[in-house]
Amino acid sequence: QKEVEQNSGPLSVPEGAIASLNCTYSDRVSQSFFWYRQYSGKSPELIMSIYSNGDKEDGRFTAQLNKASQYVSLLIRDSQPSDSATYLCAVRTPDKLIFGTGTRLQVFP
Amino acid sequence: DTGVSQDPRHKITKRGQNVTFRCDPISEHNRLYWYRQTLGQGPEFLTYFQNEAQLEKSRLLSDRFSAERPKGSFSTLEIQRTEQGDSAMYLCASSPALRPSTFGNTIYFGEGSWLTVV
Repeated sequence: QKEVEQNSGPLSVPEGAIASLNCTYSDRVSQSFFWYRQYSGKSPELIMSIYSNGDKEDGRFTAQLNKASQYVSLLIRDSQPSDSATYLCAVRTPDKLIFGTGTRLQVFP
Repeated sequence: DTGVSQDPRHKITKRGQNVTFRCDPISEHNRLYWYRQTLGQGPEFLTYFQNEAQLEKSRLLSDRFSAERPKGSFSTLEIQRTEQGDSAMYLCASSPALRPSTFGNTIYFGEGSWLTVV
C-alpha cells in the first residue's frame, strides 16, 4: 500500500462547478497535510495546509481532514479553466513530505 | 527574488556523463530538500539537510547520487555516470527549522531542474 494515495484522474468538471479531490494516507501519526497545485512543466505550488480535523477555507478552496478515516480532501468552488492542473496531496512524516501521484483536474468552459 | 533558486533549469547530457545541479534556498531556511519527479508521478523524496548536516537519504538515492551542503547555504546534487532512467525533474525545496510543534513548516519548491539523458 502506498503511503499517500490519490486517484490519478482526469477529473473533468464544467466551469463554475465544485471540484472535489480526495486523498488517503497510511501513517496514523501524521499531523500535517498539504495540497499543492502543479501546472504542466512547472514545479508544485502550495495552496493549502491543514492540521486539525474539520474544514479549513481559503477563498475558493476548502481543505477537509478526517484523521480517524485517514482522509484529506480539497474542494474547489466556482472552478475556472485556470484551475486545470494536477493537484498533489502531501503528508508530513515527520521530517519530510511524502506525495501522492496527483489528480489531474480539467475544467472545461 | 527571494524564492528557492535552481540552476541549470535544463540539462541534456549523454549517458555516462556526470551532471551537477545547484540549489539556493530561501535565505532564512535551515532545511533543504531534494526530490525527483518523473512524468505522471508525484515528487519522490531523495534527501534532506538541516544546515550542513545530511540527515536522511532515501533508498532511491543510489551510489551514483551525492548531495552536499557545505556551508549550510546552497546545495549541490551530483549524478555520476548518468543513465536514461535518471531523466526527470529534480526539485529543490526549503523550509524553516522544525519548531517544537509538529505542525507547520511548509516546504517551498524551486522551479526545478530538468534532466534529459540521451
